Amino acid sequence: GQQLNQSPQSMFIQEGEDVSMNCTSSSIFNTWLWYKQDPGEGPVLLIALYKAGELTSNGRLTAQFGITRKDSFLNISASIPSDVGIYFCAGPFSGSARQLTFGSGTQLTVLP
Amino acid sequence: GAGVSQSPSNKVTEKGKDVELRCDPISGHTALYWYRQRLGQGLEFLIYFQGNSAPDKSGLPSDRFSAERTGESVSTLTIQRTQQEDSAVYLCASSLTGQITLSGYTFGSGTRLTVV
Repeated sequence: GQQLNQSPQSMFIQEGEDVSMNCTSSSIFNTWLWYKQDPGEGPVLLIALYKAGELTSNGRLTAQFGITRKDSFLNISASIPSDVGIYFCAGPFSGSARQLTFGSGTQLTVLP
Repeated sequence: GAGVSQSPSNKVTEKGKDVELRCDPISGHTALYWYRQRLGQGLEFLIYFQGNSAPDKSGLPSDRFSAERTGESVSTLTIQRTQQEDSAVYLCASSLTGQITLSGYTFGSGTRLTVV
């Protein structure tokens, strides 16, 4: 079945540092989505990518759609305490264009 | 409403009891999804409703799980004879048309279910 492998599983960084996480797929995706989940809340969409090679920024966040269409990267620059949370990649499930497959998440902790 | 509303936010139940979880999607959103999130894991698809079409139940893990939706409004997820492995956060999401490649979903805050 279709799988999304997300790494790292967790990260502990100092405030001000840059962060990078990635997601790889066993099959080609036409869309990559990155979500953030705060404790006790549902995931919130951060960035959407629609084209291979696309690089999109949202404030301090930058995400890229890999050329092979099987991977995506999310970078956070100059991390701040409110960046703490779980970051998920997601893409349309090949068996149904109306359903998203999610990675297992990257737990980010920002130390003061 | 302004966002996706789920209730209850927390539910503790005894093993073997039935539970019902409720989701109120964003007004006008035709598509509604239920996902399950076990501790430290990603989101696991359960079921999808789109308008008046037959729901996609392919993610339901067993026949103890069922869900209903009335038109384009409230949905309820029912778990019968709960087991400890059912303990998880159950997330509901909705989207305007089901074209999730355009804008993804809007999630509710979830119901945290604990089976003791």
